[in-house]
Amino acid sequence: EVQLVESGGGLVQPGGSLRLSCTASGLTFTTNWINWVRQAPGKGPEWVAAMGPDEDQKGYVDSVRGRFIISRDNAKNSLYLQMDSLRVDDTGIYYCARDQGYFTFDHWGQGTLVTVSP
Amino acid sequence: QSALTQPPSASGSPGRSVTISCTGTSSDVGASEYVSWYQQHPGKAPKLIIFEVNKRPSGVPDRFSGSKSGNTASLTVSGLQAEDEADYYCSSRGGNVFGTGTKVTVL
Repeated sequence: EVQLVESGGGLVQPGGSLRLSCTASGLTFTTNWINWVRQAPGKGPEWVAAMGPDEDQKGYVDSVRGRFIISRDNAKNSLYLQMDSLRVDDTGIYYCARDQGYFTFDHWGQGTLVTVSP
Repeated sequence: QSALTQPPSASGSPGRSVTISCTGTSSDVGASEYVSWYQQHPGKAPKLIIFEVNKRPSGVPDRFSGSKSGNTASLTVSGLQAEDEADYYCSSRGGNVFGTGTKVTVL
């Protein structure tokens, strides 16, 4: 059974940093596209970033490019999202999700809440 | 890329059907056979219920069906049950975008 577990969320002031983690069981990051998808309160999901089987395969939504960095530790089967220069509109639940292909997310974690507030 | 447009709410009585629309553009929904639908209950993560316009993952009841015409995709829930009350979101490759969401109420 596939399980994705996120951690690392919290309350941070604008301009601050957080590092989110996603640990997987039942799948390996080296053979899958794993994504970060966030959801602001009362809004629909928004794709944030992705990493493919090759660590050079990365992508970001325009609004976070240059501020967020996605990385991976294969030995720990863990994916990370380093978030710097956080803004109020980065607030939301951040989910780790597996893309089964063609922007179709079949496995999701439970999410971790990020709150950016003065 | 703008979010796909969905009606904010839809409702139906138990046993009846409800259809939700998802309108995009010729660059996303209109250009893609990779439209998905997700069901989300309060406090839970989204759950994939339709992919590639009209395919259902294993375990999803056949009461859920999808279709697409031009720039608009649709999700139909037939034989509404109380547990179908949830938020529903569409998504499309070719834009990497999700919909605005529709809250389905079972009357």
